[in-house]
Amino acid sequence: DTGVSQDPRHKITKRGQNVTFRCDPISEHNRLYWYRQTLGQGPEFLTYFQNEAQLEKSRLLSDRFSAERPKGSFSTLEIQRTEQGDSAMYLCASSLGTGNSPLHFGNGTRLTVT
Amino acid sequence: AQRVTQPEKLLSVFKGAPVELKCNYSYSGSPELFWYVQYSRQRLQLLLRHISRESIKGFTADLNKGETSFHLKKPFAQEEDSAMYYCALNGGTSYGKLTFGQGTILTVHP
Repeated sequence: DTGVSQDPRHKITKRGQNVTFRCDPISEHNRLYWYRQTLGQGPEFLTYFQNEAQLEKSRLLSDRFSAERPKGSFSTLEIQRTEQGDSAMYLCASSLGTGNSPLHFGNGTRLTVT
Repeated sequence: AQRVTQPEKLLSVFKGAPVELKCNYSYSGSPELFWYVQYSRQRLQLLLRHISRESIKGFTADLNKGETSFHLKKPFAQEEDSAMYYCALNGGTSYGKLTFGQGTILTVHP
């Protein structure tokens, strides 16, 4: 499968712990996105990278959230001091860097904070 | 502010019947509209986009700026069309910052 891959698929953590998710985009895609999806809702935009540069962050991304894409390839999303409200599906997507190229989504990481 | 509304959370039809999934949007400029689909146990994937003006898997969608709608239609539904459908809007960016609706679960009965 040469699509977007995310790891882990599921993560259960206790409130207050830190978690980190990884996303590997399609290799020729230089744009990478993180979205969050809670139960019964559509995905919500969190942040966007063009190569290694983080060009936009949503207000949804509190100070406890940080995303990186150090070499313009894979990306990590870290949540510090998790709260129960952070429980959600975290989706990564990538696209070509031309115009409004369609997004290719990964299977997501489902986070449960107990 | 941008908003996408899908008024139906659930939609059930019988095989061979026409189906229409509604999508209304709120955006002051010229939006780009998309339909994404998620089949059972699969990832979210693009179904179609309004600028392409194409039919994918028998589905079509026309952007109606007067009614601010982008309804998805298929004249004869198939069981394999059963899935979650999301309408999404890109307003004002040249990259993939999308505003999604809440989604509609379509079930096509045999």
